[in-house]
Amino acid sequence: SQQGEEDPQALSIQEGENATMNCSYKTSINNLQWYRQNSGRGLVHLILIRSNEREKHSGRLRVTLDTSKKSSSLLITASRAADTASYFCATDALFSGNTPLVFGKGTRLSVIA
Amino acid sequence: DAGVIQSPRHEVTEMGQEVTLRCKPISGHNSLFWYRQTMMRGLELLIYFNNNVPIDDSGMPEDRFSAKMPNASFSTLKIQPSEPRDSAVYFCASSLIWEGLAGATEQFFGPGTRLTVL
Repeated sequence: SQQGEEDPQALSIQEGENATMNCSYKTSINNLQWYRQNSGRGLVHLILIRSNEREKHSGRLRVTLDTSKKSSSLLITASRAADTASYFCATDALFSGNTPLVFGKGTRLSVIA
Repeated sequence: DAGVIQSPRHEVTEMGQEVTLRCKPISGHNSLFWYRQTMMRGLELLIYFNNNVPIDDSGMPEDRFSAKMPNASFSTLKIQPSEPRDSAVYFCASSLIWEGLAGATEQFFGPGTRLTVL
C-alpha cells in the first residue's frame, strides 16, 4: 500500500525560483527519505530526516518534518535546469527494525531556463 | 565504486517467454531490494533480502515471478511465463543494515532494466 503521497504531482518553475514539494504519510515512522530520479535513471538518495528531527539542510535542499501532521516538505532553493527530475519521498514503519521503504508516486519538477 | 549493477539494461521479449533480470549489489551491502516501476502504479517493492535470505515477498505479483540470491554479490528476478502487463522498469537496490538499527537506511539504486513484453 502507498505510504507517502507527494503533492503536487507536477511543478513547473523558472530557473532561480524556489521549488517546494510536499509529502504526506499515514503511519508512524522511524525516518523519512527523499530521492531524486532523472529520466531513464535509477533513484538517487538526497536526504534522510529522523522522526525526532524537525528540519535538515543539505546544500540547496531543506527538508522539514512534522510528525504530528504526518507530513514533510522538500525545498530546493535557487533552482537550476539540472534540478529537473522526479522527486520521491519514502517512509519506513515504526518499530519494524530494518524495514523496507514505501515510496510515493513522486513530484515531477521542471525547471525552465 | 561501481554502484549497483543491473543487466540487461533493456529486454524485449514475446509473451510466454522466460525473462531473467540480474543484479550485483554494492560490495559490503547486506540488504537487496527488487522494485517495479510503472506510470500507473509507481514504484512497487516486489521482494527484499537480508543477508541473502528473502524476508518479504508479499509484493511479488504472481507465482510467475521468482527471485533468488545465491550469494551476497548476486541476485536474479525471473518471470516465467512473461505477459505484456509485466512491461515495466525493474530496479534493484542495495543497502547496509546493522543489528539494533531502527529504521530504514539509504538505498542505492541500479540503473534499472526496461522490460517490454510483446
